[in-house]
Amino acid sequence: NAGVMQNPRHLVRRRGQEARLRCSPMKGHSHVYWYRQLPEEGLKFMVYLQKENIIDESGMPKERFSAEFPKEGPSILRIQQVVRGDSAAYFCASSPALAPPPDEQFFGPGTRLTVL
Amino acid sequence: EDQVTQSPEALRLQEGESSSLNCSYTVSGLRGLFWYRQDPGKGPEFLFTLYSAGEEKEKERLKATLTKKESFLHITAPKPEDSATYLCAVQARSSASKIIFGSGTRLSIRP
Repeated sequence: NAGVMQNPRHLVRRRGQEARLRCSPMKGHSHVYWYRQLPEEGLKFMVYLQKENIIDESGMPKERFSAEFPKEGPSILRIQQVVRGDSAAYFCASSPALAPPPDEQFFGPGTRLTVL
Repeated sequence: EDQVTQSPEALRLQEGESSSLNCSYTVSGLRGLFWYRQDPGKGPEFLFTLYSAGEEKEKERLKATLTKKESFLHITAPKPEDSATYLCAVQARSSASKIIFGSGTRLSIRP
């Protein structure tokens, strides 16, 4: 019974490169959330997706960041032209469809992005 | 603006020394309050959901309580393996999605 899976676990990029982070939700879950955790700071909401739809992207930076959750395959968080300030741990969480509120979210192990 | 404040930032206890962690929140209509545990280098692990004031939940040495303005995580006779960062988070009725997290309390239990 696999939990939320994220890969890669560690990612190193040089400034200006692209970073692609993947998240496979728990079996039976169709809601995916992305959070960012900067060093010594709390988790900050970025985006909420359901299959093929972005529901809430109010926490996503307006430029360089995008997210998708296709009908088939994992959710992808994409960061274009990375800068040093993008270095952080990125966590994905999932919750089941039609869950009674409130919606408990279950987290993956995170991807630690380092920008050189 | 929805907000979560946790105190203290860090807490060091002797094994067996009970204590409480505080989570103060401001939210426009509480949908739920969550407690998570996070170990270094890992994702948050779900502990409890509290729905309304007066509610309590227990799990092993942990007990979470909720009032209209704050939540407490009580730790009874802790062991070194309880050392972790404990995160409090809230979800507002106006939001069907995002959870607002506090900065956490780093708990260290000395043997």
